[in-house]
Amino acid sequence: SAVISQKPSRDICQRGTSLTIQCQVDSQVTMMFWYRQQPGQSLTLIATANQGSEATYESGFVIDKFPISRPNLTFSTLTVSNMSPEDSSIYLCSVRFGRGSVNIQYFGAGTRLSVL
Amino acid sequence: LAKTTQPISMDSYEGQEVNITCSHNNIATNDYITWYQQFPSQGPRFIIQGYKTKVTNEVASLFIPADRKSSTLSLPRVSLSDTAVYYCLVGEGSSASKIIFGSGTRLSIRP
Repeated sequence: SAVISQKPSRDICQRGTSLTIQCQVDSQVTMMFWYRQQPGQSLTLIATANQGSEATYESGFVIDKFPISRPNLTFSTLTVSNMSPEDSSIYLCSVRFGRGSVNIQYFGAGTRLSVL
Repeated sequence: LAKTTQPISMDSYEGQEVNITCSHNNIATNDYITWYQQFPSQGPRFIIQGYKTKVTNEVASLFIPADRKSSTLSLPRVSLSDTAVYYCLVGEGSSASKIIFGSGTRLSIRP
């Protein structure tokens, strides 16, 4: 299994500012995934972060708004830039591990962001 | 990526068996079926994964018919703590493939 730590667990931010969310994993992983979950909704994949290369963004998400760093195999950051109230959401970090014939995705507890 | 369809919500009572069915008509040959559980203020947690027929673990059973166009998650003897959102996902089983979440089923268990 994997233990994923996210910081901060929650924050309240002002419109126009930026917030960087940190994700630390207790094992080395090739790929890390960032999701967004708006209140009462399902998870939406923002991007996939590979160590040593540019992150791959899903449709509707761009690097200027959600820059991602992946400096090593256990750590990643997601920045929410120039925030607006529409960015209020839970942001989750995730990794995938093989366990026998099964590939399991593990998630952090999330960062609850409120933008005023 | 195959799209999934599940009931938006279900209600049941403690001690009952709960079956949640997921439709995935466009499932590909390489796709696996995985179910996750999410409690409020937590990230989703893996429950079970299967490719065909039946898979059982200590938490649940997963039934997949021969055509693989649907699957059923079975939770035996549910308790109040099983109240959560359950997601059915379909995708390649490789470690590199991304996971796309559907809308999920909100399960409420009553005393």
